[in-house]
Amino acid sequence: QQQVKQSPQSLIVQKGGISIINCAYENTAFDYFPWYQQFPGKGPALLIAIRPDVSEKKEGRFTISFNKSAKQFSLHIMDSQPGDSATYFCAASNYGGSQGNLIFGKGTKLSVKP
Amino acid sequence: EAGVAQSPRYKIIEKRQSVAFWCNPISGHATLYWYQQILGQGPKLLIQFQNNGVVDDSQLPKDRFSAERLKGVDSTLKIQPAKLEDSAVYLCASRSVGTSFEQYFGPGTRLTVT
Repeated sequence: QQQVKQSPQSLIVQKGGISIINCAYENTAFDYFPWYQQFPGKGPALLIAIRPDVSEKKEGRFTISFNKSAKQFSLHIMDSQPGDSATYFCAASNYGGSQGNLIFGKGTKLSVKP
Repeated sequence: EAGVAQSPRYKIIEKRQSVAFWCNPISGHATLYWYQQILGQGPKLLIQFQNNGVVDDSQLPKDRFSAERLKGVDSTLKIQPAKLEDSAVYLCASRSVGTSFEQYFGPGTRLTVT
């Protein structure tokens, strides 16, 4: 019940295309859903996050879509660029009960081809 | 502001040896986390501190791992004795207490156990 399942494991997109990464969770107590971006040799960095009171959040080229009833959320990267090539992790947390501990998915390695 | 600092960046040891990692969080951040990231997987929480007290160490293998956060600032994570399966990147993250949920990660220490 604490798992966060992420797919696909890897993704290749052409420059200018749309990258879509999906995550599913089981614990209905989760109330915070961030996406982290990680480049080789670096720690993860917060990209965008959403709370369950909204169904969509957009920041620049990055959008989170959230479906509470299906217990799923996804990251959309519009106009994907070679500089977006990195590993993306979805995560979930129950800030009300677990002091904010993040449960991470296994990651998606994105390659954007020029 | 300066980010989360970690040292060393890389460490190679033989199994059954001991090793220690150091973390200096962002100034003023009361919450500190240690994560283990095995190659190809998402980070997994090992231990969480609030100031100098342990909040959650339920996933810390206490027979070989130990951690402390003296004076509520810097933290050290120790492994003794190391096993082959401890080869991973050890990430430190910190968070400000309050309304922000964002965790800021350091660059990590890559441990190889031979």
